[in-house]
Amino acid sequence: DQQVKQNSPSLSVQEGRISILNCDYTNSMFDYFLWYKKYPAEGPTFLISISSIKDKNEDGRFTVFLNKSAKHLSLHIVPSQPGDSAVYFCAASEAGTALIFGKGTTLSVSS
Amino acid sequence: DAGITQSPRHKVTETGTPVTLRCHQTENHRYMYWYRQDPGHGLRLIHYSYGVKDTDKGEVSDGYSVSRSKTEDFLLTLESATSSQTSVYFCAISVTGLAGGASSYNEQFFGPGTRLTVL
Repeated sequence: DQQVKQNSPSLSVQEGRISILNCDYTNSMFDYFLWYKKYPAEGPTFLISISSIKDKNEDGRFTVFLNKSAKHLSLHIVPSQPGDSAVYFCAASEAGTALIFGKGTTLSVSS
Repeated sequence: DAGITQSPRHKVTETGTPVTLRCHQTENHRYMYWYRQDPGHGLRLIHYSYGVKDTDKGEVSDGYSVSRSKTEDFLLTLESATSSQTSVYFCAISVTGLAGGASSYNEQFFGPGTRLTVL
């Protein structure tokens, strides 16, 4: 059973608009959440993270929101740029143990 | 750049042959991981290591073995490759610590990947 779910396989957004990528999880013991970005033929790169003691974390154009009661997190990219086109993976961990990844969402930003 | 290299970057092999993939890190990290990435499956953990000679299985460990005789090297071996093991393999290291309150963080940094094709 999937513990981390990204229910949208793809998302298309126009340049300058907001991109919202969503992730749901089932394990209430997860206490750390991460987003990774992956370009073709490259390894995933760490983007942003959030601890369960917070509900928001910002880094430039990227903001991650955590709703623990709904077991839901989202990544907001504002404004979206064509270079943001990539596969985005959500991941979660419990007490510093191995990450559990979602299946990914492919973001396409058109100019 | 977490100083992670993988070799080879591409390999084509035949069913039934043994294959070894190498992951090398330069920053003395304790934890190392092997993942495979397949369409529709995301990243799935194969094996991981928490120190020299200390390894454990992940979600999809069947058909794979690992070894870690030095801190900097983590080897993944397919004893007898099958077509179902055609995939892109990623190695990762992790940086762990306390994230505040009672939570811990585990941020992983990945190598460039090895594309393996088993014919």
